[in-house]
Amino acid sequence: GAGVSQSPSNKVTEKGKDVELRCDPISGHTALYWYRQSLGQGLEFLIYFQGNSAPDKSGLPSDRFSAERTGGSVSTLTIQRTQQEDSAVYLCASSLEYGTSSYEQYFGPGTRLTVT
Amino acid sequence: RKEVEQDPGPFNVPEGATVAFNCTYSNSASQSFFWYRQDCRKEPKLLMSVYSSGNEDGRFTAQLNRASQYISLLIRDSKLSDSATYLCVVRTAGRRALTFGSGTRLQVQP
Repeated sequence: GAGVSQSPSNKVTEKGKDVELRCDPISGHTALYWYRQSLGQGLEFLIYFQGNSAPDKSGLPSDRFSAERTGGSVSTLTIQRTQQEDSAVYLCASSLEYGTSSYEQYFGPGTRLTVT
Repeated sequence: RKEVEQDPGPFNVPEGATVAFNCTYSNSASQSFFWYRQDCRKEPKLLMSVYSSGNEDGRFTAQLNRASQYISLLIRDSKLSDSATYLCVVRTAGRRALTFGSGTRLQVQP
């Protein structure tokens, strides 16, 4: 079946511009996560959505970052006034979650963001 | 100090070799443990979960030592296709998101 999809696959933007990254999770997965991975680094958690609950935004690095998830499915991550240190691969993952149980997170292919 | 620490490598080993990776975690509230594999410029994929009693999946064996807060992955009879970065991953109580180590790079050579 279809996995997690993300668009665009690559984005080059000028410093100071806003960007929007899109994630389409696996159908039926209620949990959605955004991570980012800088060169040679591990994945860094950004934000988590679960059903209709308030998102966990504890990983967002600054107020230039925001995300929303419409209709419990597609999510967009927005970075305003991009800086060079925002350059990274932004990865989205989704999983099933029931109550307090979490299941395997499936990752999308990522969006490679380069801020020039 | 990072919450999950790994030796970045690279580990260069010949085909057929046995190689072991180690990982330490600092948060004693960590409750679930995983190894993910990430190929170059690809997304991470779950390799195996790590259970307290240790577990094996074919050529791969994972061990957990809660007292020492230490996780290991052993790969026997290495194949060229095992070349990848291996990520040590932890889930902490009360948090849904995963905490990733920076990864250990393995290069299996013919």
